[in-house]
Amino acid sequence: AQSVTQLDSQVPVFEEAPVELRCNYSSSVSVYLFWYVQYPNQGLQLLLKYLSGSTLVKGINGFEAEFNKSQTSFHLRKPSVHISDTAEYFCAVTLGGSNYKLTFGKGTLLTVNP
Amino acid sequence: EAGVAQSPRYKIIEKRQSVAFWCNPISGHATLYWYQQILGQGPKLLIQFQNNGVVDDSQLPKDRFSAERLKGVDSTLKIQPAKLEDSAVYLCASSGWTGGIGELFFGEGSRLTVL
Repeated sequence: AQSVTQLDSQVPVFEEAPVELRCNYSSSVSVYLFWYVQYPNQGLQLLLKYLSGSTLVKGINGFEAEFNKSQTSFHLRKPSVHISDTAEYFCAVTLGGSNYKLTFGKGTLLTVNP
Repeated sequence: EAGVAQSPRYKIIEKRQSVAFWCNPISGHATLYWYQQILGQGPKLLIQFQNNGVVDDSQLPKDRFSAERLKGVDSTLKIQPAKLEDSAVYLCASSGWTGGIGELFFGEGSRLTVL
């Protein structure tokens, strides 16, 4: 079975600083990887995903992530954050197949301070 | 395009009482999911429907939780009787023709507090 570990439960940063949110996965087979974002009192929204091909994927709002198979990681990055990026970020994995059952990490709360 | 609708947004009940949550997915989405999100944790899949059939309910506590998706459109999740540990946000999501692989569209959730 697949699993996801988000190494940081909270990440505080200052506005315009770069940020990296870490995600490691565990699976014995190929996986699809995702980052979802949850703004306060809202549902989750897809930020970006890795299915195949280029290991660097770009998403909405200037975020990008890099798939590293040897390190089983899928870290999320943004070169310069804004106050509006304050939210909870979830890494998720699926093995694919007809069900595409997503397994989520525990989340990382990104707080951007002025 | 209308998103995933859920109601009620908030519910407070006493333990051993019952509660029901309703979800209306994006029009035309064949797959519907119910997730449980306990404070400080990521969403956990409770049940997945494909049209009106159950695809995965392996993590649904069937002694107290039930869900149905009659006619393959909207869905209801019921808890009876509720326990303190059921306090959580219940998220409904759907997927289908409007998104790619693994793209789920979530509602705003129903927050349950069990006293």
